Amino acid sequence: GQNIDQPTEMTATEGAIVQINCTYQTSGFNGLFWYQQHAGEAPTFLSYNVLDGLEEKGRFSSFLSRSKGYSYLLLKELQMKDSASYLCAVIDWDYQLIWGAGTKLIIKP
Amino acid sequence: NAGVTQTPKFRVLKTGQSMTLLCAQDMNHEYMYWYRQDPGMGLRLIHYSVGEGTTAKGEVPDGYNVSRLKKQNFLLGLESAAPSQTSVYFCASRGTDSTGELFFGEGSRLTVL
Repeated sequence: GQNIDQPTEMTATEGAIVQINCTYQTSGFNGLFWYQQHAGEAPTFLSYNVLDGLEEKGRFSSFLSRSKGYSYLLLKELQMKDSASYLCAVIDWDYQLIWGAGTKLIIKP
Repeated sequence: NAGVTQTPKFRVLKTGQSMTLLCAQDMNHEYMYWYRQDPGMGLRLIHYSVGEGTTAKGEVPDGYNVSRLKKQNFLLGLESAAPSQTSVYFCASRGTDSTGELFFGEGSRLTVL
């Protein structure tokens, strides 16, 4: 079967750094997305990885290791507005998206 | 800058009633999707379409029907609503680049009493 695992909830402090992990077991791999979703809103695109390594975009970075079936999203200089759910999604062999359940990130002052 | 638009945003139904959710996109995207999102369960694919006139079942299709008569519109119908269909429904679209990002609508919150 296809499976994506993320921690259910994480807590971090404003100004700090947090790493949200995602492990996957899917039928084929054609890329991995990270989306951010604020409560009551639609998911919005953060990053896309298809090759191994780190992709940096401002305060957010995403890492991929295809051999380990592993990705992480790194958030630096945390702000209160970063409180949200972070969704990991993998594109499988059939170019369908398989979604993780999401990680709820709580930022404390 | 409309992107993906869903209507209605909120709806309350009684068990057994029927309704249709409309999704419209103005980006000329080929692929369109209907998801439902329930607490702790992430996004689950109901139905999807890879082009005008085509539809396919997703992970949780039972109790729903869809139609894609026009490229820009993707309709989701509930034939006989049940309380288990209380959820937030998201429509999404993406272009022919098979690895392109999904653009989401704002969501439709449906309550079935």
